[in-house]
Amino acid sequence: DAGVIQSPRHEVTEMGQEVTLRCKPISGHNSLFWYRQTMMRGLELLIYFNNNVPIDDSGMPEDRFSAKMPNASFSTLKIQPSEPRDSAVYFCASSSLGEYGGNTIYFGEGSWLTVV
Amino acid sequence: AQSVTQLGSHVSVSEGALVLLRCNYSSSVPPYLFWYVQYPNQGLQLLLKYTTGATLVKGINGFEAEFKKSETSFHLTKPSAHMSDAAEYFCAVSGVFSGGYNKLIFGAGTRLAVHP
Repeated sequence: DAGVIQSPRHEVTEMGQEVTLRCKPISGHNSLFWYRQTMMRGLELLIYFNNNVPIDDSGMPEDRFSAKMPNASFSTLKIQPSEPRDSAVYFCASSSLGEYGGNTIYFGEGSWLTVV
Repeated sequence: AQSVTQLGSHVSVSEGALVLLRCNYSSSVPPYLFWYVQYPNQGLQLLLKYTTGATLVKGINGFEAEFKKSETSFHLTKPSAHMSDAAEYFCAVSGVFSGGYNKLIFGAGTRLAVHP
């Protein structure tokens, strides 16, 4: 079975450019998560969708970050304009977590972003 | 509120020695507990989880963890370390947040080094 699919796997961009990260969750999962991982801050939850609706976006760092989930099989995380401090690994994850907390969250391989 | 504390950000063992990674949690409701592993340059992979039932949970690659409610702990063990176990390990608890939705709260991670 296909897991969570993220693209691009690696991206190097210049400061000020727009960055769009993409995610295809596992079919049938109704919860989608975007995480950011850095050496300094570890693994941070940025935003959480349930049934395509953003439930908790308290982790989104600032207005430069936005996330959308137009349908059950696709989500984007956009950074505009990008800054060097946004350099990190961005993980997308999906689950049928919903109201039952025992279901597994499955992670993608990550998008490795470098802003120079 | 739910939280996770992993004791020791770095653990080093010799090949063949016991691996013990410590995790304590805080939860106001019966918790769902997880251990994830992250190999270098990869995403997070589920090792094992506790939901209900038997408190000793067996996972992949010979790892196991025991849920101890009285100690609020969920320590991860493996009898004999292998070089391939070198990775970062994350303990997580599933918590209920506003709206009745669950999400995973991760600990800071423990980096395991295995020496020949």
